[in-house]
Amino acid sequence: KAGVTQTPRYLIKTRGQQVTLSCSPISGHRSVSWYQQTPGQGLQFLFEYFSETQRNKGNFPGRFSGRQFSNSRSEMNVSTLELGDSALYLCASSLEGPLRGHTDTQYFGPGTRLTVL
Amino acid sequence: EDKVVQSPLSLVVHEGDTVTLNCSYEVTNFRSLLWYKQEKKAPTFLFMLTSSGIEKKSGRLSSILDKKELFSILNITATQTGDSAVYLCAVEDGGTSYGKLTFGQGTILTVHP
Repeated sequence: KAGVTQTPRYLIKTRGQQVTLSCSPISGHRSVSWYQQTPGQGLQFLFEYFSETQRNKGNFPGRFSGRQFSNSRSEMNVSTLELGDSALYLCASSLEGPLRGHTDTQYFGPGTRLTVL
Repeated sequence: EDKVVQSPLSLVVHEGDTVTLNCSYEVTNFRSLLWYKQEKKAPTFLFMLTSSGIEKKSGRLSSILDKKELFSILNITATQTGDSAVYLCAVEDGGTSYGKLTFGQGTILTVHP
């Protein structure tokens, strides 16, 4: 079974621009979570989507947004880029069965390395 | 606010040594604790722990959870250079905190030949 895929793998943008990152989960996985990883802050949760609905959101400004499509693929968008947005953006997918009590493991994609100049 | 603290932050050992990595946590509604290994890019899953006192093993790696004392340890025996990586501990909060893992800072393990 193919793993989580993310595109693009590397991206260079300038301040003020916007960017869209894509994540395709493992086949059959319905939950997609996004994380930002920086040397100073480590891995921080951005948001989670399930069945095209955002169910949870971390403490990031409104410039960070996302969506999920009916095939569970997800995109995240960052508008008005700032230098501090330079980071590795990771997405993770999990099965998230119909019963919330089921504990699902999150599997991570290779990430998109975003550099803002 | 959930919190995860890992120690030590870095560790340098020689091949063949045994290492113990520590993870303590505070979480409102504990659901699970996970260990990941991160080498270059994607964190790769090692263990998920949900019950106290039950050791999970995979080859030279093992992990155990103590829900009373709120910590977990990851042991690696007979270390190899390929074990060099950042080891991440994360906790998942139950309730309505869907899909959110709270990570520790990570332990950087360097194994010298």
